Amino acid sequence: AQSVAQPEDQVNVAEGNPLTVKCTYSVSGNPYLFWYVQYPNRGLQFLLKYITGDNLVKGSYGFEAEFNKSQTSFHLKKPSALVSDSALYFCAVRDREGFKTIFGAGTRLFVKA
Amino acid sequence: KAGVTQTPRYLIKTRGQQVTLSCSPISGHRSVSWYQQTPGQGLQFLFEYFSETQRNKGNFPGRFSGRQFSNSRSEMNVSTLELGDSALYLCASSSTGTSGINIQYFGAGTRLSVL
Repeated sequence: AQSVAQPEDQVNVAEGNPLTVKCTYSVSGNPYLFWYVQYPNRGLQFLLKYITGDNLVKGSYGFEAEFNKSQTSFHLKKPSALVSDSALYFCAVRDREGFKTIFGAGTRLFVKA
Repeated sequence: KAGVTQTPRYLIKTRGQQVTLSCSPISGHRSVSWYQQTPGQGLQFLFEYFSETQRNKGNFPGRFSGRQFSNSRSEMNVSTLELGDSALYLCASSSTGTSGINIQYFGAGTRLSVL
């Protein structure tokens, strides 16, 4: 069965520092992987996705994610955090044959000025 | 292009009542999925509709049901409400379904409070 784990409930980082939000997954076969962000009182917004090819995927707002097949991880990264990046981040996985997307529990990112 | 619209934005109900939530997808999108979001459980998949047919279902009791109309608009119904049903209910639309690489576009959600 598919599953997604976001091991950290919250990540704290200072503005200007690099940030990493971790995600590991379990799915049969090769997965599609996604990151979404949720701001207060809003729905989820798409950030980036991994389909195939380069292990480093670039997305919106300067975010990127690194796919590691051997470690079954898809960590979200940004070289320099902004206060406005503070939000709830969700990792999601979808197997290539199914119709169901499984979301992680979410990681709250807090960027301090 | 208008985004995904969910109505109402807020609802307050009492235990035992039933509630209907509405979702209008992005024009041209045929797939609508519903999710329940709570602080403790995160985002839980309820069901997905594609061209008026339920294509997938999560692990929720039969009190949770839905349907999709010919114009792709979808409704979700919860009967005999329980306190634990208090949550943010999110709707997401996608052009050809949740399979493959299609991105899901989310509405702002309906926040349901059960007293």
